[in-house]
Amino acid sequence: SQTIHQWPATLVQPVGSPLSLECTVEGTSNPNLYWYRQAAGRGLQLLFYSVGIGQISSEVPQNLSASRPQDRQFILSSKKLLLSDSGFYLCAWSVGGVMNGYTFGSGTRLTVV
Amino acid sequence: QKEVEQNSGPLSVPEGAIASLNCTYSDRVSQSFFWYRQYSGKSPELIMSIYSNGDKEDGRFTAQLNKASQYVSLLIRDSQPSDSATYLCASYTGGGNKLTFGTGTQLKVEL
Repeated sequence: SQTIHQWPATLVQPVGSPLSLECTVEGTSNPNLYWYRQAAGRGLQLLFYSVGIGQISSEVPQNLSASRPQDRQFILSSKKLLLSDSGFYLCAWSVGGVMNGYTFGSGTRLTVV
Repeated sequence: QKEVEQNSGPLSVPEGAIASLNCTYSDRVSQSFFWYRQYSGKSPELIMSIYSNGDKEDGRFTAQLNKASQYVSLLIRDSQPSDSATYLCASYTGGGNKLTFGTGTQLKVEL
């Protein structure tokens, strides 16, 4: 079966510290992978998506970057966190095209203090 | 400019009633539509997808699509307290690799 793993579940980081969030998918090949952020009480904001290894599309210019070093691995990073980076970070995947929708991971709740 | 619009709510319905959630979209080339349910503090879960005009039923859930009027709706029959959540509407326009989400409608089912 296809599963998506996202960790950690919660994270508290000081302002100015680096960030690395990892997402891995099992049971499928060549998925489209996505990073979303949901600020408190807000909608989903697409940050990055990837259709293949090394292929990253950035939706919002900001303090974050993404990488896809392997087919089923997607990493979200920051060199220096800002208070405004706080939020609920969600990884999602789709296979066979987005027309079938996404499946989301369980998310990481990041609090920057 | 937002492409998918939802009333943020909260929408309150009594237990056992029909809950009606609505969504409008601006891009006429939108092809596919999805309803996600998100419980507080959890990630969204896909509950319905619809691609053609008309109704699609799955258990207590019915999705309705009207492309001429550019709206999508989700009906929940026999609403239960466990249906209390935020419901996100999303569309896929084709030619890209992403969904566009509305900001969600909060549903509260009261005893």
